[in-house]
Formats: sequence, structure tokens, C-alpha cells
Amino acid sequence: DAGITQSPRHKVTETGTPVTLRCHQTENHRYMYWYRQDPGHGLRLIHYSYGVKDTDKGEVSDGYSVSRSKTEDFLLTLESATSSQTSVYFCAISEKMNTEAFFGQGTRLTVV
Amino acid sequence: AQSVSQHNHHVILSEAASLELGCNYSYGGTVNLFWYVQYPGQHLQLLLKYFSGDPLVKGIKGFEAEFIKSKFSFNLRKPSVQWSDTAEYFCAVNAVNYGGSQGNLIFGKGTKLSVKP
Repeated sequence: DAGITQSPRHKVTETGTPVTLRCHQTENHRYMYWYRQDPGHGLRLIHYSYGVKDTDKGEVSDGYSVSRSKTEDFLLTLESATSSQTSVYFCAISEKMNTEAFFGQGTRLTVV
Repeated sequence: AQSVSQHNHHVILSEAASLELGCNYSYGGTVNLFWYVQYPGQHLQLLLKYFSGDPLVKGIKGFEAEFIKSKFSFNLRKPSVQWSDTAEYFCAVNAVNYGGSQGNLIFGKGTKLSVKP
């Protein structure tokens, strides 16, 4: 398995609170991604990064922000969590654009 | 925007039955194609990939997929499934030379496979 660590693995938070999820990689891959997985929707891209400090929006970016200050770390922040953001969040990495991505173990987030 | 369609939401098979899961995509240009598998409670793992060349690609665990460009399809097959193949399967497409977020992996909604022992 690719060296990807997501933290925390599980989190329960209250509506309106800020939440930050962390993705750490040891592969030195340039590209990093945040997806959310919901039943009936598959995986949807939230944000991605193509280098340090270089990020862009994905399909479902509203309510989320990201930061990448180092190659190995990609943070996803929910500024003010809502119940609709209850989901499983997966981080992924890839060496290049247009190649396969490798996924972390996921973070299950519940917003109550 | 490109999209990926997986026609079967849930497939139930008995062990030793043959499997074919459909995947169609909408992008008319050059694509890279992938199948991922997610076992219960686990992360996604790459089953196989197609970039170019022989349109019949073989992956891990006896799976194969065939790229048919004229049909915009990349169907997954396995001649004889096992109980351990019970999982959710995702088709993903990457539009080569497509800018912005659309150049990233776009996933289908997944097909759950249940194999009865």
C-alpha cells in the first residue's frame, strides 16, 4: 500500500464547528486529492493540489477549503460543519496528472 | 463535463458464476480508464488500468476489462467469482489533455457485488 495516512480516522463533531482533516504521504507524489464518498454518489472530488501552495476546486468544493504548505501534507478544512458534510473522506495521491491514484484509509466524519 | 455511468447498482451472484460490470463514459477524446475495488470497511484499491495499447487488460485477482472505444465502454469481467470478491467496484475515467478539475479522476457511482457461497 502507498504510504498515506489520514487523521483522524473517525470524528464526531457538532454543527457549526470547524474541522480539519489531515492527509500525510511518504511517497513524495506531486498530486494530492480529497474525495468524499456517499451512498449512491460514488466518490466526488472536493479539492486537489498539484504542488505546494497550488490547489484548485473540484466538483463539490462549497463549504471546504484546503491547504498544502509541504509536499507531504494536504489539509481539508470544514470552516463550519453542517450535517450534509457527514461523509467518508478519502485522501488520494498520484505521481502525475492522468495516472492512477492511490487512496488512504479514509476518515469517517459525522456532524450532529 | 465528463461523466461515468455504471449501470448496475447491485449485482448478486453465486460462486463460480461469471461477472460482467458495465461502465460507460462521456468524454470523446483520449481517456485513461481504471477499475477500483473497495472491500467492506476498506479503502479503494486499484484493480486494473488502461492507458493505451491492447484494449483487453488484465488486472489482479483474475479480473480483466475491455476497452471498446466506439462504445465509450470499459466493462469489467471475471470468469468465475468467489465469495471473497464481495465488494463495491468503481469505474473511473481520466480525460487526457482536459484542463482543470475535469482532468482528474472522475468516478462512477459504484456497483455492489454480493457473491453467495
